[in-house]
Amino acid sequence: EVQLVESGGVVVQPGGSLRLSCAASGFTFDDYNMHWVRQAPGKGLEWVSLISWDGISTYHADSVEGRFTISRDNSKNSLYLQMNSLRTEDTALYYCAKDRVRFGEFSYGMDVWGQGTTVTVSS
Amino acid sequence: DIVMTQTPLSLSVTPGQPASISCKSSQSLLHSDGKTYLHWYLQKPGQSPQFLIYEVSNRFSGVPDRFSGSGSGTDFTLKISRLEAEDVGVYYCMQSIHLPLTFGGGTKVEIK
Repeated sequence: EVQLVESGGVVVQPGGSLRLSCAASGFTFDDYNMHWVRQAPGKGLEWVSLISWDGISTYHADSVEGRFTISRDNSKNSLYLQMNSLRTEDTALYYCAKDRVRFGEFSYGMDVWGQGTTVTVSS
Repeated sequence: DIVMTQTPLSLSVTPGQPASISCKSSQSLLHSDGKTYLHWYLQKPGQSPQFLIYEVSNRFSGVPDRFSGSGSGTDFTLKISRLEAEDVGVYYCMQSIHLPLTFGGGTKVEIK
């Protein structure tokens, strides 16, 4: 069974740091681009970050550029999101998602999503 | 950034009746490879989003054939031919031709 399991979400103060993790199983992890997508309470979906299958290319939304860093460890079938200088507006449910196509040049849609991990930024 | 605009914001439909959701993009989603990178997702209450349709009209594995997608360029439509109770939730369109990837604001579908 293809599965993504996120972890690491906690309550953190503004200005703090956090690292989210996503454990992948049931597919050849290092063949696929991976994403982080977030959803603020009661709001819609917001794409956050993308990393290429080989980990060489990374992209971030302007709202997190310079503060968040996506990375992956293909030897551990794991995806990460390092979150620094956290703001109250970063409060959200963070989803890890798999891209649809193997060795994709960009994104072809996210076909598998985790259950999400909640990050709350509050003093 | 490409802006994705969905209408209506919400929809109340009698079971067995059709439903239609519109999604418009601020730029063409037609790539030079000939494909159009417009996708649809459904987020059922309390659940993670699930993949419905990719590249305008291709149903993802396991998606019932009552769901269909159409459109081109900047105008797209998701249709549910006969709404069932399990189809309730929020539907999102998303473009992946340009970064940042952007989603529509969502359309909430309820049972009348």
